[in-house]
Amino acid sequence: SQQGEEDPQALSIQEGENATMNCSYKTSINNLQWYRQNSGRGLVHLILIRSNEREKHSGRLRVTLDTSKKSSSLLITASRAADTASYFCATPIIKAAGNKLTFGGGTRVLVKP
Amino acid sequence: KAGVTQTPRYLIKTRGQQVTLSCSPISGHRSVSWYQQTPGQGLQFLFEYFSETQRNKGNFPGRFSGRQFSNSRSEMNVSTLELGDSALYLCASSLASQKDTQYFGPGTRLTVL
Repeated sequence: SQQGEEDPQALSIQEGENATMNCSYKTSINNLQWYRQNSGRGLVHLILIRSNEREKHSGRLRVTLDTSKKSSSLLITASRAADTASYFCATPIIKAAGNKLTFGGGTRVLVKP
Repeated sequence: KAGVTQTPRYLIKTRGQQVTLSCSPISGHRSVSWYQQTPGQGLQFLFEYFSETQRNKGNFPGRFSGRQFSNSRSEMNVSTLELGDSALYLCASSLASQKDTQYFGPGTRLTVL
């Protein structure tokens, strides 16, 4: 079963608008990561937020983390056509000794010019 | 620094054959993980190698195996290919622990006919 679940599954917006997507997870985490994937290509790391952080910014991206609700959100401001992609949240399995990310199902974002 | 590289990028095989995929991590990264991505199951963790040892394993049959060399390069092998093995296989590298960001390669698209 997947650790994270993204919501919504798909999102269609006009260029210039903001896009918000949410991720819920089930178990304790020490960090949560967001990735972007363009049309069947590799995953591009966007941002990592640690469990003791509540909010983090990177350019037009803003990520929040609420560990009490086991949820995170990714906001893309002033979207561009190039932001069209699938976005995934991922969490490392905290009980695993090493790296083992579990991914949500992703949010497909379409930015219309 | 060069990113994670994967070869080959595309591969077509027939049922019953075997295949070997290769991954070269970012210089200095010691952890290499493999993921399978399919439309139906999403992104699923296969296994992780660290210092030539398998540190974590996902829920895949024994037909899926891997190894890591002393230079941290990794290979994964799938024997007796099945139609359901058609997928995008992604490799990710990180410095060492789950506290570190994982950087993904472009993937190998495997098609089994």
